[in-house]
Amino acid sequence: ETGVTQTPRHLVMGMTNKKSLKCEQHLGHNAMYWYKQSAKKPLELMFVYSLEERVENNSVPSRFSPECPNSSHLFLHLHTLQPEDSALYLCASSQDLGQGANEQYFGPGTRLTVT
Amino acid sequence: KQEVTQIPAALSVPEGENLVLNCSFTDSAIYNLQWFRQDPGKGLTSLLLIQSSQREQTSGRLNASLDKSSGRSTLYIAASQPGDSATYLCAVRNDYKLSFGAGTTVTVRA
Repeated sequence: ETGVTQTPRHLVMGMTNKKSLKCEQHLGHNAMYWYKQSAKKPLELMFVYSLEERVENNSVPSRFSPECPNSSHLFLHLHTLQPEDSALYLCASSQDLGQGANEQYFGPGTRLTVT
Repeated sequence: KQEVTQIPAALSVPEGENLVLNCSFTDSAIYNLQWFRQDPGKGLTSLLLIQSSQREQTSGRLNASLDKSSGRSTLYIAASQPGDSATYLCAVRNDYKLSFGAGTTVTVRA
C-alpha cells in the first residue's frame, strides 16, 4: 500500500449504531487530519493530530471521537449520528505542522450515509 | 477567519481550449497555496503547491500563479482534454490549517 488509505470506502449506518472509520498513511508523516465534505460545501477541517497529540478540534460535536494511536494510524469513532452527518470523510497527512511546504496528501475518503 | 472563493463555480469548454480558474482569499498571511483535483466521489489529488515566496509553479500543462498581496491565484490548464474534467479546489494554508474554496467543476467536451 502506498500513500494514504481509508477503510471502509462506503458505510451506511443507522442513527443508533456505532462505527469507526480508519485511516493509514504510509508516507512517514507526523501530522494527520480529518476533513468533512458535505454536498455543495467546501471541505471543513475537523481534527488535527501531530505526533499522536490532538492540536485542533474544530467545534466538532462529541458524537465524533477521533483517536490517533500512532503517527501512521487515525480513527474516527462515530455514535448516535444524525442524517446531516452524511458526507464524504477525508483523511490527510503531512510531514509535520511547520512552516515548510508541508503538502497535504489525501486518502480516497469514506462515503458515509446515515439513515 | 480565512475565506476562499473560487470563480466560476462551473465551466464547460470544447477540447483544446485553455482553462483559466480563479481563486481569491481574504487573509494574505499564508504559508502556501495548493491546487487539488477531485473526481466525483473520490479523494483529492494535489496538482501544484506554491510557497508564499513564489510567484508561480508549473507542471506539464498546468501553471499556477500567486499574487499574495492581492489575495489571488490562477490555475491555467493548456490545451484541455476530456480527461481534465473534474472539480478543481484551491486551498490556502495559514499556520497548519488549510482553508478550501468550494471548487470549480470543469467539463471538457470532446
